[in-house]
Amino acid sequence: LAKTTQPISMDSYEGQEVNITCSHNNIATNDYITWYQQFPSQGPRFIIQGYKTKVTNEVASLFIPADRKSSTLSLPRVSLSDTAVYYCLVGDANRDDKIIFGKGTRLHILP
Amino acid sequence: DTGVSQDPRHKITKRGQNVTFRCDPISEHNRLYWYRQTLGQGPEFLTYFQNEAQLEKSRLLSDRFSAERPKGSFSTLEIQRTEQGDSAMYLCASSFGGGRTEAFFGQGTRLTVV
Repeated sequence: LAKTTQPISMDSYEGQEVNITCSHNNIATNDYITWYQQFPSQGPRFIIQGYKTKVTNEVASLFIPADRKSSTLSLPRVSLSDTAVYYCLVGDANRDDKIIFGKGTRLHILP
Repeated sequence: DTGVSQDPRHKITKRGQNVTFRCDPISEHNRLYWYRQTLGQGPEFLTYFQNEAQLEKSRLLSDRFSAERPKGSFSTLEIQRTEQGDSAMYLCASSFGGGRTEAFFGQGTRLTVV
């Protein structure tokens, strides 16, 4: 499994766009990039997934450069309720493997 | 509610006692995972099942931990002779397949060993 590196924590203000970057230098050809969000005292929740370029849904956007050695989760116009831990995961779709979490990025939104 | 259900939500036990947790996955999901999470850490993989087959058990897991998934439906996680270091949130997740498939998590069982 490719190792991922994320900032331990980030602060931002309400209404701002927040970008969380994840480094995965050893990503393999068949690997997908997935982000989960976890609120206190809850299980993680799937946010978005992508393979290359850009993916957007109602919650976030995921930007993946051509070399795929990093990815950026973008949260538009954050609110206090976006305060959570965000996990970047890399996994091989073809290997049907287990899901492994790192330490994640603790995002704190300030009023 | 058709999400992943875990029971109990909280458990306080004395050191040395056995505890058992239950997870009811989303009904059509064939993959089921167990994780343990302590404060400030990400979920730590414990074990996972494909239907009733246990595919892998973390090497970090001692022999005091055992999990079952009879008939490929609900799953139980048992901890024997609990220790204070077992205090954590135990999370269950299920998915339809593995790999890139989205996993759905329950709200967890918080275990406190006193």
